[in-house]
Amino acid sequence: AQSVSQHNHHVILSEAASLELGCNYSYGGTVNLFWYVQYPGQHLQLLLKYFSGDPLVKGIKGFEAEFIKSKFSFNLRKPSVQWSDTAEYFCAVSNNDMRFGAGTRLTVKP
Amino acid sequence: NAGVTQTPKFQVLKTGQSMTLQCAQDMNHEYMSWYRQDPGMGLRLIHYSVGAGITDQGEVPNGYNVSRSTTEDFPLRLLSAAPSQTSVYFCASGVGGATTEAFFGQGTRLTVV
Repeated sequence: AQSVSQHNHHVILSEAASLELGCNYSYGGTVNLFWYVQYPGQHLQLLLKYFSGDPLVKGIKGFEAEFIKSKFSFNLRKPSVQWSDTAEYFCAVSNNDMRFGAGTRLTVKP
Repeated sequence: NAGVTQTPKFQVLKTGQSMTLQCAQDMNHEYMSWYRQDPGMGLRLIHYSVGAGITDQGEVPNGYNVSRSTTEDFPLRLLSAAPSQTSVYFCASGVGGATTEAFFGQGTRLTVV
């Protein structure tokens, strides 16, 4: 089965800083890739997804992610974070089932 | 549109008790799954189902049972609760299997004392 690694456990940024969260997966076959966000006290919501085609995908709230097949990576980026982006971010990989990384907690200081 | 509904929202159990966490979706999704969320460990897949009558184990199935008698419902049963099962449980569903977007319920916070 596939597995997912997220490199950063906790990231602290100031508003307007740029964000990049790392995600690597291990699986030899075709997978679909996702980033989900969980705001405090809420359930997970989809930020963006990649199935095929252009490896640079854009999601909601100004987030984007780039799929690099040779590196088995799907890193999340945002050029300028806001205080409201404070949340936990999960990378997920699906094939027959969907597996999640351990999550990265993002704290944005105003 | 209710989406994915989980009940109860909170539950406290004593060690050894059994209970069922309920999950229902009204989107006619084939795929349903259960995860547990623990600090620093993300979401770990417990069981999943690709359609009525079909279930399969995920990463951490021990101590949990599931069944899928209808498309709408996917209950998770704890047979004999243990403190290690203290967690937040999320049910999710998706159209077209696990490969498409997962829609999550609001979660059930379970404490086993």
